[in-house]
Amino acid sequence: GAGVSQSPSNKVTEKGKDVELRCDPISGHTALYWYRQRLGQGLEFLIYFQGNSAPDKSGLPSDRFSAERTGESVSTLTIQRTQQEDSAVYLCASSKGAGGTDTQYFGPGTRLTVL
Amino acid sequence: GENVEQHPSTLSVQEGDSAVIKCTYSDSASNYFPWYKQELGKRPQLIIDIRSNVGEKKDQRIAVTLNKTAKHFSLHITETQPEDSAVYFCAAHRSARQLTFGSGTQLTVLP
Repeated sequence: GAGVSQSPSNKVTEKGKDVELRCDPISGHTALYWYRQRLGQGLEFLIYFQGNSAPDKSGLPSDRFSAERTGESVSTLTIQRTQQEDSAVYLCASSKGAGGTDTQYFGPGTRLTVL
Repeated sequence: GENVEQHPSTLSVQEGDSAVIKCTYSDSASNYFPWYKQELGKRPQLIIDIRSNVGEKKDQRIAVTLNKTAKHFSLHITETQPEDSAVYFCAAHRSARQLTFGSGTQLTVLP
């Protein structure tokens, strides 16, 4: 079946603009995760969804970052008033169940460049 | 919260030799430890995982060991091949909701 997909694959924006990143999880996966990966760095947890609720937003770096999810389907990560330090690859992952012990399958990521 | 440390950050081995990557974690309640491989420009992909009720798991040339008492786990790759070259990430299940990842190891297999 289809894996996790993300769009756009690349996004170049100017400092101060808002951006929306989209994630389509694997069908039937109830859990969805957003991570940020700066160049040459590890994966930084941002937010987790179980269904359309977000029980863990602890990783969002500032109030410029927000995310929502429609049911058990698509999620969007919004970054307002982008800054240069927001430049990174934003990865989405989904898993079958609620627990972190279910395998997380990653999307290809969106490479965000803030000029 | 959980803290995962991964060593080494870079590792070069000759083709055919073994590679070992080690991770330590801080939360004794962690009970799931996956390893991901990320090739350049690609998404992370799960290669093996281990749960806290076992000490070792093997899958062909890849094995993972877990020492819960010492709170560390390791990835072992035997008979390395050039296609094993990638960044490897360990992770620990910190809560019911998320994984905490190590900082990654760049493995280079020299032909």
